Amino acid sequence: AQSVTQLDSQVPVFEEAPVELRCNYSSSVSVYLFWYVQYPNQGLQLLLKYLSGSTLVKGINGFEAEFNKSQTSFHLRKPSVHISDTAEYFCAVIGSGNTGKLIFGQGTTLQVKP
Amino acid sequence: GAVVSQHPSRVICKSGTSVKIECRSLDFQATTMFWYRQFPKKSLMLMATSNEGSKATYEQGVEKDKFLINHASLTLSTLTVTSAHPEDSSFYICSARDPRVGGDTQYFGPGTRLTVL
Repeated sequence: AQSVTQLDSQVPVFEEAPVELRCNYSSSVSVYLFWYVQYPNQGLQLLLKYLSGSTLVKGINGFEAEFNKSQTSFHLRKPSVHISDTAEYFCAVIGSGNTGKLIFGQGTTLQVKP
Repeated sequence: GAVVSQHPSRVICKSGTSVKIECRSLDFQATTMFWYRQFPKKSLMLMATSNEGSKATYEQGVEKDKFLINHASLTLSTLTVTSAHPEDSSFYICSARDPRVGGDTQYFGPGTRLTVL
């Protein structure tokens, strides 16, 4: 079975500052990893995903994430955040042979302050 | 990315009535769709996996007679909340797996806010 832990429930940051949202996973099989963003009262939008290959993945809105197999992490980063990045961010994993079920972390609220 | 729609976006109903929520994949065919429930300030809870042409697979603890799922075509899945009660009030989100994209990637609908009075 797989599990996902997002280490920070809330991350406050000032506009134009860098940010890192942490995600760790556990799995006995190879995994696919995803980051989704949810704006208030909306569904989830795919930010980026890691399937294989290069461990540094670039996504939309200037976000990127790095897959670290030895540390079982997939932290999300952005070098300079905007007010509009204020949202809920979810890390998720699918284990190979897992019938495609996404296992979500608890979510991290990113609060960008002016 | 692929587009998934949900209808309605919000619904208010009286206790005891049934409510149907539609989930459509607009630009791709989805053999598999998923239904999630999200409580305030919480993560998503998978309710069931909907497969076109077969019965849905429900997660443990989800009442199949309460939450009826029908995957009638490759672009449409419906969730019917039967005899709704106030405790069924929640944000319901569907997703669809795009077979053209690797990694079992799911695309999500905008969600439906259900309020049962």
